Amino acid sequence: AQKVTQAQTEISVVEKEDVTLDCVYETRDTTYYLFWYKQPPSGELVFLIRRNSFDEQNEISGRYSWNFQKSTSSFNFTITASQVVDSAVYFCALSGPKRDDKIIFGKGTRLHILP
Amino acid sequence: KAGVTQTPRYLIKTRGQQVTLSCSPISGHRSVSWYQQTPGQGLQFLFEYFSETQRNKGNFPGRFSGRQFSNSRSEMNVSTLELGDSALYLCASSLGGQNTGELFFGEGSRLTVL
Repeated sequence: AQKVTQAQTEISVVEKEDVTLDCVYETRDTTYYLFWYKQPPSGELVFLIRRNSFDEQNEISGRYSWNFQKSTSSFNFTITASQVVDSAVYFCALSGPKRDDKIIFGKGTRLHILP
Repeated sequence: KAGVTQTPRYLIKTRGQQVTLSCSPISGHRSVSWYQQTPGQGLQFLFEYFSETQRNKGNFPGRFSGRQFSNSRSEMNVSTLELGDSALYLCASSLGGQNTGELFFGEGSRLTVL
């Protein structure tokens, strides 16, 4: 069965600090997709990134970076020089390649950036 | 372009009643999927519609149903409401299927069951 674990329920850091959000997944599929979504207080989830299982290159987008390691089944997300606007709940998610595969979300990590 | 629109944003119902929630996807998106978000269970997939057909379904009882119209707008219905149905119901649209993950979410409909 597929599973996504975000062990950090809540994190608080002071503005400008770097912070890493952990995500560990379980799947029997050899092909799969991993995602990160951000949920600000307004409620709608915002897509951040998708990574497929064959692409282990790390990705950087501005202050955001993602570290995908198949050996440890992890897909961690780092925010560099955090800002108050980064305060949100962040979800890691996993799905398979087939049309009827359901996307599975982790429980989320609530991130507080303190001014 | 306009985002995903969900109505109503907030509603209060009592046990045993039924509720219908509406979702208008981004223009051109044919897939609409629905999710239930609660503090205890997190985000759970309800179902997905694509071109008016249910393509996928999560593990929810038959009281939860949905449909999609020819203009891709979707509705979900919950009958015989229970206290545990209190949740934020999120709708998402995408060009492909919900498993591809590039989902565009609405702000949700927050349902309170008393």
